[in-house]
Amino acid sequence: EADIYQTPRYLVIGTGKKITLECSQTMGHDKMYWYQQDPGMELHLIHYSYGVNSTEKGDLSSESTVSRIRTEHFPLTLESARPSHTSQYLCASSEYKGLNEKLFFGSGTQLSVL
Amino acid sequence: KQEVTQIPAALSVPEGENLVLNCSFTDSAIYNLQWFRQDPGKGLTSLLLIQSSQREQTSGRLNASLDKSSGRSTLYIAASQPGDSATYLCAVRVITGTASKLTFGTGTRLQVTL
Repeated sequence: EADIYQTPRYLVIGTGKKITLECSQTMGHDKMYWYQQDPGMELHLIHYSYGVNSTEKGDLSSESTVSRIRTEHFPLTLESARPSHTSQYLCASSEYKGLNEKLFFGSGTQLSVL
Repeated sequence: KQEVTQIPAALSVPEGENLVLNCSFTDSAIYNLQWFRQDPGKGLTSLLLIQSSQREQTSGRLNASLDKSSGRSTLYIAASQPGDSATYLCAVRVITGTASKLTFGTGTRLQVTL
């Protein structure tokens, strides 16, 4: 079982609140990802990181931001949550070994913004 | 733009049956293809990875095939069990310049009944 953890598992919050979704991995992986997944839809990459102090935007435009101060930690922040942010957020990491990298996923955070 | 389609969206089979899940992609210039399993409310677990030069990969009761020229892959599950019930997603990796991109399908939700 992969050692990658996301907290909280579920979050219900009001519009306008600032929230941070936590993601931590204990595998020493350099590359980390945040995906957004709506029910019955494909995963969309919103942020990724090659390592400490590296952050990149993904394919899907997102109002969230990320930081990578430590290898094991890759938090995602929404400064002002809106109902359109309601979704499942999945964090993943990989020991980057070129294009055949294997991704390990966390259990996800289900976010509901009222 | 690469599009990945999985049909059917949902499938229910009795225990013990062999079954095939389908994945098709529009751009055949892929580097590899992966099959993932996702349990309800959980992250993804990598099942099999097929490189573009390969025709198939096997792991236990799972066999994945790849026909790159026709843009298709299948996941064969032998002697299905209730524990196989989950959503199965395929994802293709393409190279874009100096980076690579992983595009996911929407998944097939499988239920194996007793």
